[in-house]
Amino acid sequence: NAGVTQTPKFQVLKTGQSMTLQCAQDMNHEYMSWYRQDPGMGLRLIHYSVGAGITDQGEVPNGYNVSRSTTEDFPLRLLSAAPSQTSVYFCASSGRRRTNTGELFFGEGSRLTVL
Amino acid sequence: KNEVEQSPQNLTAQEGEFITINCSYSVGISALHWLQQHPGGGIVSLFMLSSGKKKHGRLIATINIQEKHSSLHITASHPRDSAVYICAARDFGNEKLTFGTGTRLTIIP
Repeated sequence: NAGVTQTPKFQVLKTGQSMTLQCAQDMNHEYMSWYRQDPGMGLRLIHYSVGAGITDQGEVPNGYNVSRSTTEDFPLRLLSAAPSQTSVYFCASSGRRRTNTGELFFGEGSRLTVL
Repeated sequence: KNEVEQSPQNLTAQEGEFITINCSYSVGISALHWLQQHPGGGIVSLFMLSSGKKKHGRLIATINIQEKHSSLHITASHPRDSAVYICAARDFGNEKLTFGTGTRLTIIP
């Protein structure tokens, strides 16, 4: 199993550009989520999904879009990049807690710099 | 909104020492996760707890649901345990996670 595959690992954008961070998992997990990690702060939830066709906002959703057309994929789109979106982004997936398959699996992270 | 706090923020210890990292949360949860992040960034899941205690090698995690508190213990600490340890509280129903800011552990040989 590949686990959670997240691309790209590094990206530099200019203000106003758009891009998509890709996330794919091969474990048939229902729950997928995107976080950003900034110095001195904990991981903050951007958007999450509890299954194909279902997404919801997290703590810091502004400036980001997501979709979940398949169980495997959960891309994060930056619509018009801003310097405040400079961060390290992590995708994570898990099964449902009530089925005792709730262990978290993280992608390797994507370091995004917006100039 | 759940408030998750970890202590200490930074911890330096000698090799072989017993380590304790604490995590408290403000709202009842369905599960508590402990994660490890090494320099260079990868995040690895250590434990998921709903009650009681779990052990994996030299790592032990406990949770007290009534007190809304969890601890991560490391026995016979080793320099390779140096990392940031993060706890995360999982909400009932929507499965959302709230993370602590992490504890940076440094083990000196």
